[in-house]
Amino acid sequence: EPEVTQTPSHQVTQMGQEVILRCVPISNHLYFYWYRQILGQKVEFLVSFYNNEISEKSEIFDDQFSVERPDGSNFTLKIRSTKLEDSAMYFCASSDYLSTGSGNTIYFGEGSWLTVV
Amino acid sequence: DQQVKQNSPSLSVQEGRISILNCDYTNSMFDYFLWYKKYPAEGPTFLISISSIKDKNEDGRFTVFLNKSAKHLSLHIVPSQPGDSAVYFCAASALGNQFYFGTGTSLTVIP
Repeated sequence: EPEVTQTPSHQVTQMGQEVILRCVPISNHLYFYWYRQILGQKVEFLVSFYNNEISEKSEIFDDQFSVERPDGSNFTLKIRSTKLEDSAMYFCASSDYLSTGSGNTIYFGEGSWLTVV
Repeated sequence: DQQVKQNSPSLSVQEGRISILNCDYTNSMFDYFLWYKKYPAEGPTFLISISSIKDKNEDGRFTVFLNKSAKHLSLHIVPSQPGDSAVYFCAASALGNQFYFGTGTSLTVIP
């Protein structure tokens, strides 16, 4: 069964360092997402990406964050100058079309644990 | 701004009985709803969905009910199995925009 894969599964980084989280979405999907879950809190939307540009982003997704699709298969989340509060599980997701009321499912990767120390 | 709420953080059910997980939402523009199951340190796994044009969708042991007037949806699992023990999230979206997730309900199925 096709799946979204993410690397690394766990990364520890020092505060102030840059981190790149990588994702390989399901191959025929066109819409890509990043979500995060801080320990003990809800899953939060960060950004959606379609046609090589950001289609929607939350207030969490400020200038510290950026996304890129550097080639035909990878989708990356870059976090510049990490802060302690960036520690979370980051989930990549993909879907093949936007919800039109007739059905859309987003499929999640296993997540990347980011610990900022 | 909690647009999707799961007011029960946890639920315990005996094996073989029905599990009912509830979810409330505030945004009347939501037109698509999903339930996800999540094990610790893993990504959410899609379970079942329902669009706002329906009030029920069934897939095996899982049934989702949608009450638009009450802005309420529920997930029924019957019969519950120990392997169903996990955190269940409901999620909702409006017109193709981002999905909003509830805070999750931890289900424990007791053998």
